[in-house]
Amino acid sequence: SYELTQPPSVSVSPGQTASITCSGDKLGDKYACWYQQKPGQSPVVVMYEDSRRPSGIPERFSGSNSGNTATLTISGTQAMDEAAYYCQAWDSSTAVFGTGTKVTVL
Amino acid sequence: QVQLQESGPGLVKPSETLSLTCTVSDDSISSYYWSWIRQPPGKGLELIGYIHYSGSTNYNPSLKSRVAISMDTSKNQFSLKLSSVTAADTAVYYCAKLIRSSGYFDYWGQGTLVTVSS
Repeated sequence: SYELTQPPSVSVSPGQTASITCSGDKLGDKYACWYQQKPGQSPVVVMYEDSRRPSGIPERFSGSNSGNTATLTISGTQAMDEAAYYCQAWDSSTAVFGTGTKVTVL
Repeated sequence: QVQLQESGPGLVKPSETLSLTCTVSDDSISSYYWSWIRQPPGKGLELIGYIHYSGSTNYNPSLKSRVAISMDTSKNQFSLKLSSVTAADTAVYYCAKLIRSSGYFDYWGQGTLVTVSS
């Protein structure tokens, strides 16, 4: 089965840039999307079709996808961005989620 | 703004069938795709399956033999049945609207914790 691997954790200082990677076989040939999940809350999509931001998502969130790696970048990270982030792509007719990354804003 | 609300028993006995319903407000399920996703405590997300308004379904191969998703357009609801549950099925279960053309889950319910225990 298809797997998407993310680093378990990323730490970033306020105002700095956080990069979260998502690795999967030929992931660049698929669309990747990203969800933010804060404790006790439902996931919220922050990026879709690799680099498109849904309405209401701040411009500091950006995305890219090439080769075997998709990346979600948070520029000028704020305390409110502290959360778990999950990537997601499609393997045939099944959506596959990444292992998740906890972003800590120190 | 689309709203989704899961409902159903919070406790299910091993070997029994888990049944949940998702009620959709401010949108019609007679369009788009509608899905079930679960998250075991402290773990990641797993797609269970989804249903198109035409009634066609697609299930995660790992759960396919135990899952059934159906819809009731008259009530604007869709439902999940997961049979022969074990403790490994203990999770928060989310319903979500799927934008299949772009491949992402747009709106999510608040989730409901289902515990499998005797």
